[in-house]
Amino acid sequence: QTVVTQEPSFSVSPGGTVTLTCGLSSGSVSTSHHPTWYQQTPGQAPRTLIYSTNGRSSGVPERFSGSILGSKAALTITGAQADDESHYYCVLYVGSGIWVFGGGTKVTVL
Amino acid sequence: QVQLVESGGDMVQPGRSLRLSCAASGFTFSNYMMHWVRQAPGKGLEWVALISLEGTKQYYADSVKGRFIISRDNSKNTLYLQMYGLTAEDTAVYYCARTISSSTGLGGCWGQGTLVTVSS
Repeated sequence: QTVVTQEPSFSVSPGGTVTLTCGLSSGSVSTSHHPTWYQQTPGQAPRTLIYSTNGRSSGVPERFSGSILGSKAALTITGAQADDESHYYCVLYVGSGIWVFGGGTKVTVL
Repeated sequence: QVQLVESGGDMVQPGRSLRLSCAASGFTFSNYMMHWVRQAPGKGLEWVALISLEGTKQYYADSVKGRFIISRDNSKNTLYLQMYGLTAEDTAVYYCARTISSSTGLGGCWGQGTLVTVSS
């Protein structure tokens, strides 16, 4: 069974930079996994931030960027703002039509 | 504008069945594969199922395989999720989501979700 790993939580200072990662229980993440990142606040539907590793969805601020760092996919928030405080999820395509979400990272801006 | 609207969520007893619907508008529905994603109360997102453009291929998470059926009616611009043998572990908000391009990605658009509660 494929497990997608994310840090449970992260804190960042206003204006600071934070990098969240998304890994696989076995093996490395590559662009073929189409890493995609979402932001979700309580009671709301997810909002797609980054798709296919580093594609930025329409309307998403440039301070959000995606990449592959080593063996993991990464979401970097550069110049964090108060309203970036949220849950962030990644999803990976693991083949044969199957997608797997990570457990999510709660980001606190303080 | 691009919009997905889910419906059909309800409170049902364990073992019962339920069908969810997702009405699409603002884009050519038949040009996109479609997903169902769910989120149990206080938990993370869980991918549930994916259906091909014409509805001929379906893919499921192990947790629902054999109990849920994803389908679509392109003439009605509607996606469905038929759920059988519901258990408490199926209690969640169910979201439909469009692929990003025609046949890849997850999250080109999201619905607002519909709540399914399985309880006796």
